[in-house]
Amino acid sequence: AQKVTQAQTEISVVEKEDVTLDCVYETRDTTYYLFWYKQPPSGELVFLIRRNSFDEQNEISGRYSWNFQKSTSSFNFTITASQVVDSAVYFCALSPLGNAGNMLTFGGGTRLMVKP
Amino acid sequence: GAGVSQSPRYKVAKRGQDVALRCDPISGHVSLFWYQQALGQGPEFLTYFQNEAQLDKSGLPSDRFFAERPEGSVSTLKIQRTQQEDSAVYLCASSLGDFSPYNEQFFGPGTRLTVL
Repeated sequence: AQKVTQAQTEISVVEKEDVTLDCVYETRDTTYYLFWYKQPPSGELVFLIRRNSFDEQNEISGRYSWNFQKSTSSFNFTITASQVVDSAVYFCALSPLGNAGNMLTFGGGTRLMVKP
Repeated sequence: GAGVSQSPRYKVAKRGQDVALRCDPISGHVSLFWYQQALGQGPEFLTYFQNEAQLDKSGLPSDRFFAERPEGSVSTLKIQRTQQEDSAVYLCASSLGDFSPYNEQFFGPGTRLTVL
């Protein structure tokens, strides 16, 4: 069975603050993918990043960075210098690697509110 | 646009009515997924198609839920005798399938179903 936990249901920050969204996962698979998606008020899920379980190298993309630690089964997401446009619900997700029908298992989401 | 489209975007049904939700995947995408997202929660897997074959329907909550993809392109999710607990956003996603090394899923905007 697979499980993704996002313990923070809601975070509120003031613009330009840094914020970290936590994600902890459980899986019996030895190989898997981890994802982050953004869901703005319009409702469409926007893909942000995918990591495979072989690659624990952290990644930075502009103001976004991700910290994957297999030892603690965590895949945390940091937004540096947050902006109002970052306000959305963010989902962490997990899927098996290499299977047909690699369904995504999502966490419950973290609602981020960035105030001006 | 070349993205995943869903119709209708909003549907209000009286309890006991049947509804049909449509998904148009990205052209050429082999895999198609349906997810259910209850208010304030993460999406949950319902069912998966590879071309016209429904390979996994383990997430369908009851036998009132039925999905089809007869020609391997457009898919319809049908809910019979709707109940209030069926109220949710129904998300469709498509991916290239096994031909893609990453099987990234692209999501549609969803159909928000409200059962009165």
